[in-house]
Amino acid sequence: AQTVTQSQPEMSVQEAETVTLSCTYDTSESDYYLFWYKQPPSRQMILVIRQEAYKQQNATENRFSVNFQKAAKSFSLKISDSQLGDAAMYFCAYRRAMDSNYQLIWGAGTKLIIKP
Amino acid sequence: GAVVSQHPSRVICKSGTSVKIECRSLDFQATTMFWYRQFPKQSLMLMATSNEGSKATYEQGVEKDKFLINHASLTLSTLTVTSAHPEDSSFYICSAPTGVNTEAFFGQGTRLTVV
Repeated sequence: AQTVTQSQPEMSVQEAETVTLSCTYDTSESDYYLFWYKQPPSRQMILVIRQEAYKQQNATENRFSVNFQKAAKSFSLKISDSQLGDAAMYFCAYRRAMDSNYQLIWGAGTKLIIKP
Repeated sequence: GAVVSQHPSRVICKSGTSVKIECRSLDFQATTMFWYRQFPKQSLMLMATSNEGSKATYEQGVEKDKFLINHASLTLSTLTVTSAHPEDSSFYICSAPTGVNTEAFFGQGTRLTVV
């Protein structure tokens, strides 16, 4: 069975600084998708970034980028120029490419605190 | 982008009563709907997967008679918490995938409080 591990229950960063959130996963599949979702205090889940396993290039979305290491099964999220609005729970998620239901496997989450 | 509308956002009910939570896909057809439960400061726990026109598939440990899921149309899935008790108080979230190359979309969530 696939698993997703987020080993940092909480992280804090000074506003405008850079922070990296860790995520590792375990799978025997070769084709899959990885996601980072943000859950702010409103609790609405918001997609931050997505990575297809077959792509070697790391995904980037403005201030958000990932370091995808397929062999190491690692998928970290880097947030540059942290802003107060980045404060939220961040969840790493995995999805098998061949899953017809597109079910997500979730990590435990990391609470990100932004210090003004 | 795709929108999943979940209602109500908050509900308080008396112990022993039933509560229905609705999730509607507003601009796409949701063949599949996932129902999650989230405890404070925890991750999303999958309760069940519903597919339009068929019975829901429940995760181990989830009481199917307590958490009734109906997915009668491609735009509406409902979760009914029957004979609710205080321990059912939680945050419930629905989510619908939109395709193989896209992400899932989430409802706004429902905070259920059973008193």
